[in-house]
This record gives sequence, structure tokens and C-alpha cells, in this order.
Amino acid sequence: AQRVTQPEKLLSVFKGAPVELKCNYSYSGSPELFWYVQYSRQRLQLLLRHISRESIKGFTADLNKGETSFHLKKPFAQEEDSAMYYCALSGQQGGTSYGKLTFGQGTILTVHP
Amino acid sequence: DTEVTQTPKHLVMGMTNKKSLKCEQHMGHRAMYWYKQKAKKPPELMFVYSYEKLSINESVPSRFSPECPNSSLLNLHLHALQPEDSALYLCASSQGQGARSEAFFGQGTRLTVV
Repeated sequence: AQRVTQPEKLLSVFKGAPVELKCNYSYSGSPELFWYVQYSRQRLQLLLRHISRESIKGFTADLNKGETSFHLKKPFAQEEDSAMYYCALSGQQGGTSYGKLTFGQGTILTVHP
Repeated sequence: DTEVTQTPKHLVMGMTNKKSLKCEQHMGHRAMYWYKQKAKKPPELMFVYSYEKLSINESVPSRFSPECPNSSLLNLHLHALQPEDSALYLCASSQGQGARSEAFFGQGTRLTVV
């Protein structure tokens, strides 16, 4: 079974402050991990994925297999970062080639001016 | 074209109606998905199609019937739904697994069952 846990339902910070959104996962195989973001009235979109190890909009996330974590970080939050953030895991099922995406419960980030 | 397009955007249907949700992508993706999202909850997987064949059904009630006519289209046929089926229905597609398992989502169809 695959599970994703985001312990914080709500997170509020002030503009310019560092922000960290926590994500822990449970999966017996080798997972593919993603962060998706949903801005108000917009579609769910990919923010970043662990395999590419890139920084998008100043956000980074490192996969820590020892702690089974994939926390999302940004050193200086901006007001436009306010959104719902979902951590997601893609695994395989019964050898099927295509992944089953499991989402965490989501964290609503609010960045105050 | 890097979009997944869903129609209609909104749908209100009675419990005895039959309706269909449609999804289209032209990115050459070979996997397509239906998710259900209730308010302030994460998307929950319903179905996965891989190369136009149903590969995952997450124990979804038979009143939801998916169909994949070709590699670009995905339908969800609805019949005899219940009010608790009201939700945002999301379609997604991905190229494959691993590094290619990034899913692109449509805007969703907001379904209200009355």
C-alpha cells in the first residue's frame, strides 16, 4: 500500500519568511514523488518532482529515503505562493506500467503581506 | 498543446439521468485517469487507462462507467447517481511511469446531483 501524509492542514507565514511544507510517505518500492499546487480557481498543476532535482518558483524538495520524507522548502515566501499544496506519490500496481498517483491531504499555505 | 480539456465545466443532473463527462488530450500520453475530488479534499483515483485498456478500477460503483474510445479521448458515463456523488471530477494524463509519470490535469467538471 502507498500512503502520503501531510501533517499540516494550514500553514501561515509572512512575506519574506522561510516556509517548509512537510510530507512523509509510506511505500514498499521505489517511489516517484511530486509536489502539486492548486492556486485559487486554477487547475491542479505540477510544481516539481524529486527525480528532476530542480527549483521551480524558488521551491525545492529533497527526497530523504531514510526518513521517508519529501519536504517542500522556499527560503523567502511571496504572497503569490498562497495556494493549496499536495504531495503525491506515484507507484506501480501489480506490475502495471503506469503509475497510481496517491495524494496527501494537502496543506493550505497563506502568505501574509 | 500541453493541455487536458474537459467538458462540460459544470453539470447538474437528476438521479435518474444519464450523462457523460468528456476528456481530451493531444500530448501523445498513453495513460489517462479519472479522479474524484470533494471540497477541500485531495483527488482520489477512480480509474486508470493504459494504452486504451482499463488497468485500474479503484472499486468504483458501477453507476460510473469509463470508456476510452482512442488514445486521445476518455469518457466517464454516469447513470443513476446519488447526491453524494456530487464532486469535482478531474481527468489527467501522463506519458508513462517513473520520470514520465508526471500527470497533467484538466480543469475538471463540477458535478451536482439533485
